[in-house]
Order: sequence, then C-alpha cells, then structure tokens
Amino acid sequence: EAGVTQFPSHSVIEKGQTVTLRCDPISGHDNLYWYRRVMGKEIKFLLHFVKESKQDESGMPNNRFLAERTGGTYSTLKVQPAELEDSGVYFCASSQAAGMRYNEQFFGPGTRLTVL
Amino acid sequence: AQKVTQAQTEISVVEKEDVTLDCVYETRDTTYYLFWYKQPPSGELVFLIRRNSFDEQNEISGRYSWNFQKSTSSFNFTITASQVVDSAVYFCALSEPSGGYQKVTFGTGTKLQVIP
Repeated sequence: EAGVTQFPSHSVIEKGQTVTLRCDPISGHDNLYWYRRVMGKEIKFLLHFVKESKQDESGMPNNRFLAERTGGTYSTLKVQPAELEDSGVYFCASSQAAGMRYNEQFFGPGTRLTVL
Repeated sequence: AQKVTQAQTEISVVEKEDVTLDCVYETRDTTYYLFWYKQPPSGELVFLIRRNSFDEQNEISGRYSWNFQKSTSSFNFTITASQVVDSAVYFCALSEPSGGYQKVTFGTGTKLQVIP
C-alpha cells in the first residue's frame, strides 16, 4: 500500500512568488493534516481536513496560506505571496476515518520550501 | 493545552557512546499517546515508537530504548552504542484524541550528532 506522498520534494522560489504544495494521502484516509517546521523550531500543526471540509485551521499563520482538498482526496497548500519566513519543511499526514479508538497519523516525506 | 518540551537543543557524542534524549510533556487528558520520530538529513519523518498513556512498560528495540514515567511526565529515549547513522533530529510528540481524530503536538526537536 502506498504511503503519503508529497510533491515537490524541494522548492526554491523568490520572495513574492507563489508556490503550491501537494499532498496525496493514503487511499481511504478521511483525515488529512498539514504541519510545518521552520528552521530550528518545533513541527507545528497548520490545519486538518475531514474529507473535503476544514475541521481545524487554527494553525494557519496568515491569509497568505490557502489549503484546499477538493473531492476529499489530495490536498494543496498554496502560499501567495511567499515571504522569507515561510521557508521550512511542510509535512502532510493522513489518518483513517473518525470514530476509531486510535487514528495513527502517517506522515509524508515533506516538502522543503526555500524562499530567497 | 498540551505541550512537549525537549530541553536539549543539540547533543554531540562520540561513536559508541550511549546518549539519552529527554522529553517532558504536559496534558490534562488521561488518555493520550506519546511518540518519537527521527528526521534524518534527508528530511522525512521516520516513526520510531508510539506509547499509550496506560502502558508504562519500558520498551527496548535493538539499540533503542524508551523510559516512560507518568509520575514525572517524561518519555526519554536512549540510544546505546551510538552510530554515525543515528545523527538526526529527534522529535518527541504528544497526541490527544479530539473529536475522533488525534491532534499531535511536537517538541522543538533535539539535534544529535554522532562523531566518528
């Protein structure tokens, strides 16, 4: 079974440009999460989808970040316009449907974003 | 609110030395999970272990061992006879069930450098 995949693995852009990160969760997983780690800090929660709906977006830093999950399958995270402080590693994770006693989150390999 | 503290920012050891990475957590829930992840230089998050709050048994897996103590809210990780390949950033994390899904809080990570 394929794991969580993320594309691209690495992106280098200039300040002010737009970047779109993509995450493909494990097939059948309703829950999809975005996290990011900026240099030297903790991995922080950004938001959580249940199918196509945003369940919790309390971690989104500002309105330059837009996440979508049309059709409840893959998700995109767009940063527009990118700023220097957006550099970091963006992780995606997915887990099975709600209602189970324990829903393990499976993490993707991450996208390393560098804003110059 | 949940919180994970990894007080050690960076540790350097000489190969074959033992090293312990500390993790202290805070939570108001009686049911929670604790994790350790490894992030090698390649960037992906590698799952190492999960522990639930009702199981305080220590665990050993090869050169890795974990000491979970609820009395001190700690979940420390020891690598015995360290190797250069152990060089990575290690994250401790805490997860609480919330509305059918798990909200994961990570520590800031401990960067381990094993010197040959």
